[in-house]
Amino acid sequence: EDQVTQSPEALRLQEGESSSLNCSYTVSGLRGLFWYRQDPGKGPEFLFTLYSAGEEKEKERLKATLTKKESFLHITAPKPEDSATYLCAVQAVGNEKLTFGTGTRLTIIP
Amino acid sequence: GAVVSQHPSRVICKSGTSVKIECRSLDFQATTMFWYRQFPKKSLMLMATSNEGSKATYEQGVEKDKFLINHASLTLSTLTVTSAHPEDSSFYICSALSGNRGNEQYFGPGTRLTVT
Repeated sequence: EDQVTQSPEALRLQEGESSSLNCSYTVSGLRGLFWYRQDPGKGPEFLFTLYSAGEEKEKERLKATLTKKESFLHITAPKPEDSATYLCAVQAVGNEKLTFGTGTRLTIIP
Repeated sequence: GAVVSQHPSRVICKSGTSVKIECRSLDFQATTMFWYRQFPKKSLMLMATSNEGSKATYEQGVEKDKFLINHASLTLSTLTVTSAHPEDSSFYICSALSGNRGNEQYFGPGTRLTVT
């Protein structure tokens, strides 16, 4: 059974304080690992897809990396508008379904 | 990015009634759509996978006679909650997958259902 574990559950940072969110996964064969951002009362917003170990993707202050066992979402010099829940999900080979982690609730304090 | 809409965004209904939620892909054709349920401060729970022109595939524990899914076109899927009970109150979110856009699922904004 595919599993995704995200840590920490919640993270509070001062504005400008860089940090990383972790996503550990087990999957029969990885087709893709996805990062989403979700604001309260809204649907998840797609951020990144990573397909193979060693791959990295960046978007503004966010950078996602992937190894064979985990993915990190690095946030550099965050701003209050980066406050949200960040969700990680995996998709197995031969399957279109996503298995989600429980998310990291990130709060950036001005 | 791909745009997925849901309607309504909020709905309140009485116990025993049915409510329909629409999910539309606005700028691409979605061969597959998914319906999720999310409880407060919890992650997304997949309810069913909907393929255009065929019957939906439900996850274990999801009552197919209670949560009716129809995917009549490549841009529209509907979820009907039949004979709603207060425990059906939740945040329902759809997503759409298009083969032309790779493996990404694009999510709608969600529908908050409250059953009184």
